[in-house]
Amino acid sequence: GENVEQHPSTLSVQEGDSAVIKCTYSDSASNYFPWYKQELGKRPQLIIDIRSNVGEKKDQRIAVTLNKTAKHFSLHITETQPEDSAVYFCAASFSGGGADGLTFGKGTHLIIQP
Amino acid sequence: AAGVIQSPRHLIKEKRETATLKCYPIPRHDTVYWYQQGPGQDPQFLISFYEKMQSDKGSIPDRFSAQQFSDYHSELNMSSLELGDSALYFCASSLGLRAQNQYFGAGTRLSVL
Repeated sequence: GENVEQHPSTLSVQEGDSAVIKCTYSDSASNYFPWYKQELGKRPQLIIDIRSNVGEKKDQRIAVTLNKTAKHFSLHITETQPEDSAVYFCAASFSGGGADGLTFGKGTHLIIQP
Repeated sequence: AAGVIQSPRHLIKEKRETATLKCYPIPRHDTVYWYQQGPGQDPQFLISFYEKMQSDKGSIPDRFSAQQFSDYHSELNMSSLELGDSALYFCASSLGLRAQNQYFGAGTRLSVL
């Protein structure tokens, strides 16, 4: 089955700086890569996703890049703000003929220092 | 906009009891996923349904079963509860078969004493 590794487990950055979280996946058949933000005790919220036919996607301060050859994808947050503090999960799945479940990374606790 | 509704929000059970968790997907969404999240852990995929049929199966214990009904709501039935079943249980819904844009409910926090 799919295995997703995520680094770092904790990331502390100064407000206004950029944050980068990296993930690798093992199954070359995976073709859908979402990122979720989860605040303590709350639901995971989909913040951005990318499919394997795209190398990069941006949405305001958030961007995701995908390197299919290296089986590697990253989340970039620019101009970080205090409300960006949360746990971020990457995930991978095969989006094809079935409702395949997501395989998540272990999460990154992002701390924005004022 | 309407979101995924889960009930109950909190549930306390004793060991060896049974529990039923309910999930009402976003209107028009026909696909439901169940995830289990232990404290400080990532969500683990349990099972999914599309058009009332089981679609994918993850790490769901044999003691658990689930189904999706004609109105697309889903129920997760858990029997012979163990202490290790204490976790947040999330339901997510999406439109169609592709595992994209899964929107999560607020979760049910199950405590097994």
